[in-house]
Amino acid sequence: EVQLVETGGGLVQPGKSLKLTCATSGFTFSNAWMDWVRQSPEKQLEWVAQIKDKSNNYATYYAESVKGRFTISRDDSKSSVYLQMNSLKEEDTAIYYCTYYGSYWGQGVMVTVSS
Amino acid sequence: DIQMTQSPASLSASLGETVTIECRASEDIYSNLAWYQQKPGNSPQLLIYDANSLADGVPSRFSGSGSGTQYSLKINSLQSEDVASYFCQQYNNYPFTFGSGTKLEIK
Repeated sequence: EVQLVETGGGLVQPGKSLKLTCATSGFTFSNAWMDWVRQSPEKQLEWVAQIKDKSNNYATYYAESVKGRFTISRDDSKSSVYLQMNSLKEEDTAIYYCTYYGSYWGQGVMVTVSS
Repeated sequence: DIQMTQSPASLSASLGETVTIECRASEDIYSNLAWYQQKPGNSPQLLIYDANSLADGVPSRFSGSGSGTQYSLKINSLQSEDVASYFCQQYNNYPFTFGSGTKLEIK
Protein backbone atom coordinates (compact mmCIF):
# COMPACT_ATOMS: atom_id res chain seq x y z
CA GLU A 1 0.00 0.00 0.00
CA VAL A 2 1.33 3.39 -0.99
CA GLN A 3 1.64 5.82 1.90
CA LEU A 4 2.87 9.40 2.10
CA VAL A 5 3.04 11.12 5.49
CA GLU A 6 3.94 14.78 5.84
CA THR A 7 5.32 16.21 9.06
CA GLY A 8 6.99 19.39 10.23
CA GLY A 9 4.24 21.95 9.90
CA GLY A 10 3.27 24.51 12.48
CA LEU A 11 3.03 28.19 13.37
CA VAL A 12 6.03 30.31 12.42
CA GLN A 13 6.74 34.03 12.31
CA PRO A 14 7.30 35.86 9.04
CA GLY A 15 10.92 35.69 7.92
CA LYS A 16 11.59 32.43 9.74
CA SER A 17 12.24 28.95 8.37
CA LEU A 18 10.54 25.58 8.49
CA LYS A 19 11.38 22.18 7.00
CA LEU A 20 8.70 19.75 5.91
CA THR A 21 9.29 16.02 5.57
CA CYS A 22 7.30 13.54 3.48
CA ALA A 23 8.02 9.94 4.44
CA THR A 24 6.87 7.39 1.88
CA SER A 25 6.40 3.65 1.55
CA GLY A 26 4.80 1.11 -0.77
CA PHE A 27 6.52 2.06 -4.02
CA THR A 28 10.01 2.33 -5.49
CA PHE A 29 10.85 5.78 -4.20
CA SER A 30 14.24 6.00 -5.88
CA ASN A 31 12.58 6.01 -9.33
CA ALA A 32 9.83 8.46 -8.40
CA TRP A 33 9.46 12.13 -9.28
CA MET A 34 7.97 13.85 -6.25
CA ASP A 35 6.02 17.07 -5.94
CA TRP A 36 4.89 19.45 -3.23
CA VAL A 37 1.51 21.13 -3.72
CA ARG A 38 -0.12 23.60 -1.34
CA GLN A 39 -3.69 24.69 -0.73
CA SER A 40 -4.42 28.16 0.56
CA PRO A 41 -7.09 28.97 3.14
CA GLU A 42 -9.19 30.09 0.15
CA LYS A 43 -8.90 26.47 -1.11
CA GLN A 44 -6.84 27.33 -4.19
CA LEU A 45 -4.33 24.63 -5.14
CA GLU A 46 -0.81 25.72 -6.12
CA TRP A 47 1.98 23.47 -7.36
CA VAL A 48 5.12 24.35 -5.40
CA ALA A 49 8.06 22.21 -6.48
CA GLN A 50 9.18 18.96 -8.07
CA ILE A 51 12.30 16.83 -7.78
CA LYS A 52 13.15 14.18 -10.32
CA ASP A 53 15.08 10.93 -9.72
CA LYS A 54 18.78 10.12 -9.87
CA SER A 55 18.65 9.15 -13.55
CA ASN A 56 17.45 12.69 -14.20
CA ASN A 57 20.17 14.17 -12.02
CA TYR A 58 17.70 15.03 -9.26
CA ALA A 59 16.56 18.02 -11.33
CA THR A 60 14.38 20.47 -9.42
CA TYR A 61 11.67 22.91 -10.49
CA TYR A 62 9.85 25.61 -8.53
CA ALA A 63 6.86 27.92 -8.68
CA GLU A 64 7.92 31.53 -9.16
CA SER A 65 6.30 32.44 -5.85
CA VAL A 66 8.77 30.28 -3.91
CA LYS A 67 11.86 30.28 -6.12
CA GLY A 68 14.93 31.34 -4.15
CA ARG A 69 13.20 30.78 -0.80
CA PHE A 70 12.18 27.10 -0.88
CA THR A 71 14.37 24.08 -1.60
CA ILE A 72 13.11 20.62 -2.42
CA SER A 73 15.41 17.68 -1.72
CA ARG A 74 15.23 13.93 -1.23
CA ASP A 75 16.94 11.06 0.55
CA ASP A 76 16.43 7.85 -1.40
CA SER A 77 17.86 5.80 1.48
CA LYS A 78 15.00 7.04 3.67
CA SER A 79 12.33 7.15 0.92
CA SER A 80 11.69 10.73 1.93
CA VAL A 81 11.31 14.08 0.26
CA TYR A 82 11.80 17.42 1.99
CA LEU A 83 10.80 21.04 1.57
CA GLN A 84 13.04 23.59 3.22
CA MET A 85 11.13 26.85 3.47
CA ASN A 86 13.08 30.02 4.26
CA SER A 87 12.08 33.67 4.50
CA LEU A 88 8.49 32.65 5.04
CA LYS A 89 5.71 35.10 4.25
CA GLU A 90 2.13 35.26 5.45
CA GLU A 91 0.99 34.26 1.96
CA ASP A 92 2.81 30.93 2.39
CA THR A 93 0.13 29.95 4.89
CA ALA A 94 -1.42 26.77 3.49
CA ILE A 95 -1.84 23.04 3.78
CA TYR A 96 1.20 21.44 2.15
CA TYR A 97 0.83 18.09 0.41
CA CYS A 98 3.44 15.82 -1.08
CA THR A 99 2.32 13.81 -4.05
CA TYR A 100 3.61 10.97 -6.19
CA TYR A 101 2.70 11.61 -9.84
CA GLY A 102 -0.59 13.12 -8.67
CA SER A 103 -1.86 9.60 -8.11
CA TYR A 104 -1.06 9.43 -4.42
CA TRP A 105 -1.22 12.26 -1.92
CA GLY A 106 -0.34 12.61 1.71
CA GLN A 107 -2.85 13.85 4.25
CA GLY A 108 -1.23 17.28 4.23
CA VAL A 109 0.42 19.38 6.90
CA MET A 110 -0.64 22.87 7.96
CA VAL A 111 1.83 25.73 7.82
CA THR A 112 0.74 29.03 9.35
CA VAL A 113 2.93 32.10 8.95
CA SER A 114 1.85 34.82 11.33
CA SER A 115 3.30 37.21 13.86
CA ASP B 1 3.21 30.62 -16.95
CA ILE B 2 0.23 28.80 -18.45
CA GLN B 3 -3.05 30.11 -17.06
CA MET B 4 -5.87 27.63 -16.51
CA THR B 5 -9.34 29.17 -16.64
CA GLN B 6 -11.89 26.83 -15.08
CA SER B 7 -15.68 27.20 -15.25
CA PRO B 8 -18.11 27.32 -13.67
CA ALA B 9 -16.91 28.27 -10.19
CA SER B 10 -19.90 26.50 -8.69
CA LEU B 11 -22.52 24.15 -9.95
CA SER B 12 -25.77 22.78 -8.55
CA ALA B 13 -27.37 19.76 -10.19
CA SER B 14 -29.91 17.06 -9.43
CA LEU B 15 -29.16 13.43 -8.76
CA GLY B 16 -28.95 11.48 -12.00
CA GLU B 17 -28.09 14.54 -14.09
CA THR B 18 -25.05 14.91 -16.30
CA VAL B 19 -22.70 17.81 -15.53
CA THR B 20 -19.74 19.23 -17.40
CA ILE B 21 -16.83 21.29 -16.07
CA GLU B 22 -14.47 23.06 -18.42
CA CYS B 23 -10.89 24.23 -18.38
CA ARG B 24 -9.23 26.46 -20.90
CA ALA B 25 -5.44 26.77 -21.08
CA SER B 26 -3.74 29.97 -22.17
CA GLU B 27 -1.71 27.95 -24.68
CA ASP B 28 -1.65 24.45 -26.16
CA ILE B 29 -0.94 21.88 -23.42
CA TYR B 30 -1.00 18.82 -25.71
CA SER B 31 -3.46 16.88 -23.52
CA ASN B 32 -1.11 17.04 -20.51
CA LEU B 33 -4.05 17.67 -18.23
CA ALA B 34 -5.35 16.05 -15.07
CA TRP B 35 -8.63 16.36 -13.20
CA TYR B 36 -8.84 15.99 -9.43
CA GLN B 37 -11.73 15.57 -7.02
CA GLN B 38 -11.45 16.89 -3.49
CA LYS B 39 -14.02 16.15 -0.84
CA PRO B 40 -14.17 18.36 2.28
CA GLY B 41 -11.39 17.54 4.73
CA ASN B 42 -9.64 15.20 2.28
CA SER B 43 -6.64 15.37 -0.02
CA PRO B 44 -7.22 15.71 -3.77
CA GLN B 45 -7.83 12.47 -5.64
CA LEU B 46 -6.80 11.89 -9.24
CA LEU B 47 -9.75 11.23 -11.57
CA ILE B 48 -8.38 11.71 -15.08
CA TYR B 49 -4.88 12.02 -16.53
CA ASP B 50 -3.64 12.75 -20.04
CA ALA B 51 -6.96 14.52 -20.60
CA ASN B 52 -9.04 11.38 -21.10
CA SER B 53 -7.50 8.43 -19.23
CA LEU B 54 -9.44 7.21 -16.20
CA ALA B 55 -7.34 6.74 -13.06
CA ASP B 56 -7.44 3.42 -11.26
CA GLY B 57 -10.59 2.81 -9.24
CA VAL B 58 -12.47 5.83 -10.62
CA PRO B 59 -16.08 5.10 -11.63
CA SER B 60 -16.75 5.05 -15.36
CA ARG B 61 -19.37 7.79 -15.02
CA PHE B 62 -16.41 10.19 -14.98
CA SER B 63 -14.85 11.02 -18.34
CA GLY B 64 -12.46 13.59 -19.74
CA SER B 65 -12.08 15.01 -23.20
CA GLY B 66 -10.46 17.82 -25.10
CA SER B 67 -7.31 18.85 -26.87
CA GLY B 68 -5.20 21.89 -27.54
CA THR B 69 -6.41 24.54 -25.12
CA GLN B 70 -9.94 23.30 -24.35
CA TYR B 71 -10.74 20.45 -21.95
CA SER B 72 -13.76 19.17 -20.09
CA LEU B 73 -14.73 16.78 -17.34
CA LYS B 74 -18.12 15.10 -17.60
CA ILE B 75 -19.93 13.34 -14.79
CA ASN B 76 -22.82 11.14 -15.89
CA SER B 77 -25.66 10.08 -13.59
CA LEU B 78 -24.67 12.40 -10.74
CA GLN B 79 -24.60 10.68 -7.37
CA SER B 80 -24.58 12.10 -3.85
CA GLU B 81 -20.97 11.02 -3.29
CA ASP B 82 -19.89 13.29 -6.18
CA VAL B 83 -20.40 16.37 -4.00
CA ALA B 84 -16.89 17.82 -3.98
CA SER B 85 -14.62 20.41 -5.53
CA TYR B 86 -13.00 19.63 -8.86
CA PHE B 87 -9.72 21.02 -10.16
CA CYS B 88 -7.89 20.77 -13.46
CA GLN B 89 -4.08 20.89 -13.66
CA GLN B 90 -1.74 21.23 -16.61
CA TYR B 91 1.60 19.47 -16.49
CA ASN B 92 2.86 20.33 -19.96
CA ASN B 93 5.10 23.17 -18.82
CA TYR B 94 6.76 24.19 -15.60
CA PRO B 95 5.44 25.65 -13.44
CA PHE B 96 2.50 23.27 -13.38
CA THR B 97 -0.72 25.22 -12.81
CA PHE B 98 -4.18 24.48 -11.48
CA GLY B 99 -7.57 25.83 -12.36
CA SER B 100 -9.42 27.76 -9.67
CA GLY B 101 -11.80 24.90 -8.95
CA THR B 102 -15.49 24.07 -9.32
CA LYS B 103 -17.66 23.38 -6.28
CA LEU B 104 -20.35 20.83 -7.12
CA GLU B 105 -23.48 20.58 -5.01
CA ILE B 106 -26.64 18.55 -5.23
CA LYS B 107 -29.81 20.53 -5.93
